[in-house]
Amino acid sequence: NAGVTQTPKFQVLKTGQSMTLQCAQDMNHEYMSWYRQDPGMGLRLIHYSVGAGITDQGEVPNGYNVSRSTTEDFPLRLLSAAPSQTSVYFCASSYSVPAVDTQYFGPGTRLTVL
Amino acid sequence: KNQVEQSPQSLIILEGKNCTLQCNYTVSPFSNLRWYKQDTGRGPVSLTIMTFSENTKSNGRYTATLDADTKQSSLHITASQLSDSASYICVVIPMDSSYKLIFGSGTRLLVRP
Repeated sequence: NAGVTQTPKFQVLKTGQSMTLQCAQDMNHEYMSWYRQDPGMGLRLIHYSVGAGITDQGEVPNGYNVSRSTTEDFPLRLLSAAPSQTSVYFCASSYSVPAVDTQYFGPGTRLTVL
Repeated sequence: KNQVEQSPQSLIILEGKNCTLQCNYTVSPFSNLRWYKQDTGRGPVSLTIMTFSENTKSNGRYTATLDADTKQSSLHITASQLSDSASYICVVIPMDSSYKLIFGSGTRLLVRP
């Protein structure tokens, strides 16, 4: 199993550009989440999904969209990139709700917005 | 406000030595507390998970302890190895939450030869 994969590994955008961060898992997990990690802060939840077709907002959802058309994939879209979105983004998945089950994290995407 | 504070922010130790990382939290009530290891450029990996009723949990050379009365947890690393160089993150899960985990900002550990 590849586990949780994320692409790209690195990305540089200009302010106002849009892009999609890809996330896929091959563990047949229903629960998937997107986090951002900023220096000196803990990971913060952006959006999460409890299964195909079902998504919800986390702690910091503004400026981001998600969709879940399949169990395996959970892409994160930046609609109009801003310098404040410079961060490292992690996708995670779990078999059951994250509060009771171990989350498996992808390797991350380091995003810089100029 | 639910918070998780970790100390120290960074730590340097010599290979073979022991060390202890601290986690203080205000989350109450909580269902479980976790420690993650995050290597540079990688995603976090789970080390231990303790429910609110457990006092200690081990994973090889890693031992986590929990004192729910003082709202403190510690991660003890025994006989450190160079591969232990990483950030260690404390995570507390509120009792009333299924998805919102409270992450600490981590302790960055460097093990030198």
